[in-house]
Amino acid sequence: GQQVMQIPQYQHVQEGEDFTTYCNSSTTLSNIQWYKQRPGGHPVFLIQLVKSGEVKKQKRLTFQFGEAKKNSSLHITATQTTDVGTYFCAGQAGTALIFGKGTTLSVSS
Amino acid sequence: EADIYQTPRYLVIGTGKKITLECSQTMGHDKMYWYQQDPGMELHLIHYSYGVNSTEKGDLSSESTVSRIRTEHFPLTLESARPSHTSQYLCASSHRAGANVLTFGAGSRLTVL
Repeated sequence: GQQVMQIPQYQHVQEGEDFTTYCNSSTTLSNIQWYKQRPGGHPVFLIQLVKSGEVKKQKRLTFQFGEAKKNSSLHITATQTTDVGTYFCAGQAGTALIFGKGTTLSVSS
Repeated sequence: EADIYQTPRYLVIGTGKKITLECSQTMGHDKMYWYQQDPGMELHLIHYSYGVNSTEKGDLSSESTVSRIRTEHFPLTLESARPSHTSQYLCASSHRAGANVLTFGAGSRLTVL
């Protein structure tokens, strides 16, 4: 079946270091979404990418959608302790929204 | 702030009890979903609905059932809870039209003893 693979599963960084999580789909996606879940919280929508090769920025976060619309990445520049949490990608294929397993980011100061 | 509400937020019950987790949204969304998530783990879709009187099972088999009698309400019921049902249950909704962007509720954390 359709799958969205997300790596790494866990990442620990020192505050100020950069962080990247990657998503790869087995099928072409119509769009990809990113969500953040703080520890003990619920997923919160961050952004949606629709166009091939699209790049969007939110302050220190940069989101990319691959040219083939099968992969995506989220890059955080100069991480802060407030960035701690699990980042999920979710790919839309047909009517199904398929979540990756998430990347849990921890940051030490 | 998200206009999707889940109750109870926390529930501890004994084996064999019947429970209903409530989920209501005030955004007029047609689509509603239930996800099951163990702490720090992935999201598993267990039920979804695209409108009133429409319910479907998700990717993860679940002994729970759902109903959608009103657009804004999507309760989940376990007829006989077991320790294996211990988990967090997240309700979400989205508009039928356009992108399938989900708004999640705060979750119901269930512990079955």
